[in-house]
Amino acid sequence: AQSVTQPDIHITVSEGASLELRCNYSYGATPYLFWYVQSPGQGLQLLLKYFSGDTLVQGIKGFEAEFKRSQSSFNLRKPSVHWSDAAEYFCAVGAGRGNAGNMLTFGGGTRLMVKP
Amino acid sequence: DAGITQSPRHKVTETGTPVTLRCHQTENHRYMYWYRQDPGHGLRLIHYSYGVKDTDKGEVSDGYSVSRSKTEDFLLTLESATSSQTSVYFCAISGSEGTGRSGNTIYFGEGSWLTVV
Repeated sequence: AQSVTQPDIHITVSEGASLELRCNYSYGATPYLFWYVQSPGQGLQLLLKYFSGDTLVQGIKGFEAEFKRSQSSFNLRKPSVHWSDAAEYFCAVGAGRGNAGNMLTFGGGTRLMVKP
Repeated sequence: DAGITQSPRHKVTETGTPVTLRCHQTENHRYMYWYRQDPGHGLRLIHYSYGVKDTDKGEVSDGYSVSRSKTEDFLLTLESATSSQTSVYFCAISGSEGTGRSGNTIYFGEGSWLTVV
């Protein structure tokens, strides 16, 4: 069974600083990887996804993520954080199973706080 | 935004009462899911549907049932609500994007906050 670990429960960065959120996954085959962001009281918004090909993936809001098979990681990065980036971030691995379409397994989330 | 509407958005109910949450989509997507979100656990899959009247269990299905009588509606029922079912419930949908089922992006609704007292 697949699993996802986000080692950092909380991260605080200063506005304008760079950001890296860690995600490690366990999956027996080629993974399909996703990052979602959730603002308080809202649903989840897709930031970016990796299916195959180029291991550096660009997403919305200036985010990018790099898939590293050797490290089983899919870390999310942003060169300069804005106050509006404060939210909770979820990494997920997807696996199709029979009739299930895409079954997502989520990490526990990382809450990002941004200092002015 | 994906056309997903969840109702009710907020509900407080008493232990032992039945509760039904509704998910309505306007995207004509084949797959629909119900997840629950709890602190430290991320989102966990309760049940999913791969077509009208076609449903199956997810990771945390005990105490929940679902029904899908139309493509656009997916209902989640707590037959007898317990305090452990206090949570935020998210409906999600996905369709076919040409990359295979495993790669389909899942889109989420806004969530339903349920408190069982």
